[in-house]
Amino acid sequence: TQLLEQSPQFLSIQEGENLTVYCNSSSVFSSLQWYRQEPGEGPVLLVTVVTGGEVKKLKRLTFQFGDARKDSSLHITAAQPGDTGLYLCAGVDSGGSNYKLTFGKGTLLTVNP
Amino acid sequence: DSGVTQTPKHLITATGQRVTLRCSPRSGDLSVYWYQQSLDQGLQFLIQYYNGEERAKGNILERFSAQQFPDLHSELNLSSLELGDSALYFCASSVGTDGYTFGSGTRLTVV
Repeated sequence: TQLLEQSPQFLSIQEGENLTVYCNSSSVFSSLQWYRQEPGEGPVLLVTVVTGGEVKKLKRLTFQFGDARKDSSLHITAAQPGDTGLYLCAGVDSGGSNYKLTFGKGTLLTVNP
Repeated sequence: DSGVTQTPKHLITATGQRVTLRCSPRSGDLSVYWYQQSLDQGLQFLIQYYNGEERAKGNILERFSAQQFPDLHSELNLSSLELGDSALYFCASSVGTDGYTFGSGTRLTVV
C-alpha cells in the first residue's frame, strides 16, 4: 500500500506570512496532484506535477515535485484568509482506465486576518 | 457547481439501517470513484467504476456495495450501519488522468 505523509497536520498563520507544506512517500508515483478542500465542499484540483524536479506556479502558490518523484511541496507566499482550507496531496497510479488516487491526510491551513 | 451531483447532502439514520447514496458524474466522465472521509483516516478510497464495470476496490467493507448504471450514475449502498460509519462520503468522476472532479459529498450521521 502506497502511503503519503503530509506535514504539518495543522498550520495557523497571520495574513501576509509565507508557508510551506510537505507531502512525502516511500513510493514513486507517475504524477502527483494537489487539491484544496473548503468546509462543506469536495476537494478541488489545484495542480498536477508530472516530471521529477518540476516546478509549477499558480499565482502565489508554488508547487514542486521531487527529483525522485516521491515527494512534493507547496509554498504559499503572502498568505491571504482566502487561502484557508485543507490542502491534500494525492499520488497518481495510472494504467489505462484504472486511474486511481491515493490521498494524504492533508494539512489544515488557517490564515488569520 | 463542479458538475458532479451527490444526493442527499445530509443523512441521519439509526444503527442497523441501510442507506443509498447517489452520484451523477460530470457529463462525459466514464469513471466514478467513491471515497469516505473522516477526521482520523482522511480520504479513504472505497471503489471505482468505469463505464458500468467495477475497476478497483479499496478499503470497502463487505456491508457496503456500489454499482454504476447504464446512464453512468452510481449508487453506494451502506447496510447494517454502525456508529463508526458516520463520515463524509464523496463521489468523484474523471476522464483520462486530468484529475478528479468531486461532488459536495453526503454527510452521514449514524445515531
